[in-house]
Amino acid sequence: KAGVTQTPRYLIKTRGQQVTLSCSPISGHRSVSWYQQTPGQGLQFLFEYFSETQRNKGNFPGRFSGRQFSNSRSEMNVSTLELGDSALYLCASSPGPLTGELFFGEGSRLTVL
Amino acid sequence: AQSVAQPEDQVNVAEGNPLTVKCTYSVSGNPYLFWYVQYPNRGLQFLLKYITGDNLVKGSYGFEAEFNKSQTSFHLKKPSALVSDSALYFCAVRAVYNTDKLIFGTGTRLQVFP
Repeated sequence: KAGVTQTPRYLIKTRGQQVTLSCSPISGHRSVSWYQQTPGQGLQFLFEYFSETQRNKGNFPGRFSGRQFSNSRSEMNVSTLELGDSALYLCASSPGPLTGELFFGEGSRLTVL
Repeated sequence: AQSVAQPEDQVNVAEGNPLTVKCTYSVSGNPYLFWYVQYPNRGLQFLLKYITGDNLVKGSYGFEAEFNKSQTSFHLKKPSALVSDSALYFCAVRAVYNTDKLIFGTGTRLQVFP
């Protein structure tokens, strides 16, 4: 069974640009979560989606948005990029809430110049 | 609010010796606790979880964790460390009932020396 796939794996943007990151969950998983990982802040929760509905949102500005499609694939978008948005963005999937562990992808490493 | 604390930024241990990575938690209600490991430039890999039942939880790669309700701890242990265990370890707690949102600790870097 294929794991969680995130694309792109690496990308470089400049301040003010926007970026879209994609996540394909494990087949059959309906819940997708996003986390931001930085050396200073650690792992911070961004969003959680289940069956195309946002169930939870972390404490991030409105420049961070996401969505989930009917096939459970998810995207997150960051607009008007700032230097501080440089991070590893991790996507995780699970069959649904309360089913146990999350399965993480390899991440998308964003560098903002 | 749910939270976890990992008091050690780094743990050093010699190969073959037992290892312990510490985690304490603060939750309202029953805790759902997890350990994940991250190797360089990789995502997080699930090691083990405690939801209910036995206080000693066994997981992947020979790791286990002991849930201690009175001390609000969930320490990760392994009887004999391997150099390949060197990685970043995260303790996490489920933030809200009936969701997948996790609150992670700050991580502990485990260094196993040959």
